[in-house]
Amino acid sequence: GIQVEQSPPDLILQEGANSTLRCNFSDSVNNLQWFHQNPWGQLINLFYIPSGTKQNGRLSATTVATERYSLLYISSSQTTDSGVYFCAVRNGGSQGNLIFGKGTKLSVKP
Amino acid sequence: DSGVTQTPKHLITATGQRVTLRCSPRSGDLSVYWYQQSLDQGLQFLIQYYNGEERAKGNILERFSAQQFPDLHSELNLSSLELGDSALYFCASSVKHGSTDTQYFGPGTRLTVL
Repeated sequence: GIQVEQSPPDLILQEGANSTLRCNFSDSVNNLQWFHQNPWGQLINLFYIPSGTKQNGRLSATTVATERYSLLYISSSQTTDSGVYFCAVRNGGSQGNLIFGKGTKLSVKP
Repeated sequence: DSGVTQTPKHLITATGQRVTLRCSPRSGDLSVYWYQQSLDQGLQFLIQYYNGEERAKGNILERFSAQQFPDLHSELNLSSLELGDSALYFCASSVKHGSTDTQYFGPGTRLTVL
């Protein structure tokens, strides 16, 4: 099945810094979502981005489907950005389930 | 708030017991997915229902079962519980069943088996 790899596994930032999280996938996809899991365990939708670029406030994401990767940019990080960021993909067929990467754990220090 | 609700938030039980987790999808969503998040396995797909019918199965144990009712809420039944079943169980919903739908996740049920 399709493999999803995220890097880096861990990231520690000072408040105000910028960061880039990467998601590589092993096959073509027609769905890619980014999630933020906060310290309370909730999975929050950030982007639905099978291709192209989207921005939402300090966060933006780019997916280059032909090269099988997606990037999540966090600018001017805040302590509330801490948590785990997951990339999840679907590669079509009749099954609609998401396949998750292992995540990037982000810690933003004040 | 994603609009997906799950109850209970926390569940503590003993090995060998049976529990039921409940999920209400977002209004209008016909598909419900169940996922398990454990420390060693990460986030894994268990099972999907669409408009009351089982649509797809993932890494779901035979001790686990699910159903989706006419009002579209879903229940995940876990029986003969083992210590390794301790995990965070998420329900997600989407409008359709296809691979281009956005899935929205509930807050999860944290199951602890002692």
